[in-house]
Amino acid sequence: ETGVTQTPRHLVMGMTNKKSLKCEQHLGHNAMYWYKQSAKKPLELMFVYSLEERVENNSVPSRFSPECPNSSHLFLHLHTLQPEDSALYLCASSQGLITDDEQFFGPGTRLTVL
Amino acid sequence: DAKTTQPNSMESNEEEPVHLPCNHSTISGTDYIHWYRQLPSQGPEYVIHGLTSNVNNRMASLAIAEDRKSSTLILHRATLRDAAVYYCILRSPYNTDKLIFGTGTRLQVFP
Repeated sequence: ETGVTQTPRHLVMGMTNKKSLKCEQHLGHNAMYWYKQSAKKPLELMFVYSLEERVENNSVPSRFSPECPNSSHLFLHLHTLQPEDSALYLCASSQGLITDDEQFFGPGTRLTVL
Repeated sequence: DAKTTQPNSMESNEEEPVHLPCNHSTISGTDYIHWYRQLPSQGPEYVIHGLTSNVNNRMASLAIAEDRKSSTLILHRATLRDAAVYYCILRSPYNTDKLIFGTGTRLQVFP
């Protein structure tokens, strides 16, 4: 257990559905992240939040909408996704944003878009 | 962002040492070298990091070349649980929020 939990672990949705991914960290960290891991591609950073403020939006399509209501919770709202959005979505947290801070990853949500 | 180059895959036998190389010839003087690994069906986990000096922790050792253009992650006695994809990542203090993952090295450990 890394102290970062993600729900659901698996999600299947149609292209017209709206769903949300949830991440919770129990480590008292101030920064949280969303990553996308597609098959045969490196992990891609999507969003970064520090103290509930978004500090990075890595050219992610607007059909992905993040929300960070407090420093322990991070959501990724999904709507009108495409089949190519099928991937493993990973949440991570760190104490802060300095170079020494290690990131703790959750187990991921395996998303399939039909 | 400075790039890293790693072999696609490596093999080891259980209880033998493993040396995982990483080349980063364009590293800047302030870039930290981080290593993460990803076990099957799990998110990545931190292994070790360093700047100039060699580093040891309970998981591994990190040997950094004197010119810092390469580094080696050393697992002193590989176990079956060490089978994973190992990522070598450069982290800049001017871009601290970013871990930029490459394709990593897939390590297979045989009994």
